[in-house]
Amino acid sequence: GPKVLQIPSHQIIDMGQMVTLNCDPVSNHLYFYWYKQILGQQMEFLVNFYNGKVMEKSKLFKDQFSVERPDGSYFTLKIQPTALEDSAVYFCASSLFYEQYFGPGTRLTVL
Amino acid sequence: GDSVTQTEGLVTLTEGLPVMLNCTYQSTYSPFLFWYVQHLNEAPKLLLKSFTDNKRPEHQGFHATLHKSSSSFHLQKSSAQLSDSALYYCALSEGSNYKLTFGKGTLLTVTP
Repeated sequence: GPKVLQIPSHQIIDMGQMVTLNCDPVSNHLYFYWYKQILGQQMEFLVNFYNGKVMEKSKLFKDQFSVERPDGSYFTLKIQPTALEDSAVYFCASSLFYEQYFGPGTRLTVL
Repeated sequence: GDSVTQTEGLVTLTEGLPVMLNCTYQSTYSPFLFWYVQHLNEAPKLLLKSFTDNKRPEHQGFHATLHKSSSSFHLQKSSAQLSDSALYYCALSEGSNYKLTFGKGTLLTVTP
């Protein structure tokens, strides 16, 4: 079936640094999402993106977070600066409409 | 706001026994309901979806019936297999922005 890729699979950085998480969505999909999962907790919606714009962001989507998808390339989540509480697995997803396809996640560790 | 409740965090079954994972939800409108399955170190994959009351979608031997009267979408399978061992998430989506609200997940372990 359709696959969503995420790069890198793991990232370790020092607090205060910038990090960019990359997502390669399904090619004909229109909607893109980021979800955050802290170890042992449920997956939580961060933000979704359509037609070059953020549609909705949750309270977890802090001012230090930003998303973009320049001209059909990767859909990215940038965190600048990072904080300890940003350590989590970040899942990207894409969809044509309701049915979302997920990537395998990027495990981010902030030291 | 929307919420999804999965009452069991861990379920352990012997192969061949029936599976039932509970899911109830709260939503302002009529949402889509989904079951996603996540095997270890893999991406969550869509297992089932439903929007229609009292319809029973099936996939890979699993089925779930959306009951709007009780706000439930329980996942069932008649006979568990070892390969069914995974994390199962119930989720809902409503409105035009398609975001998913997830339950906490149920870790199903099937033993020989």
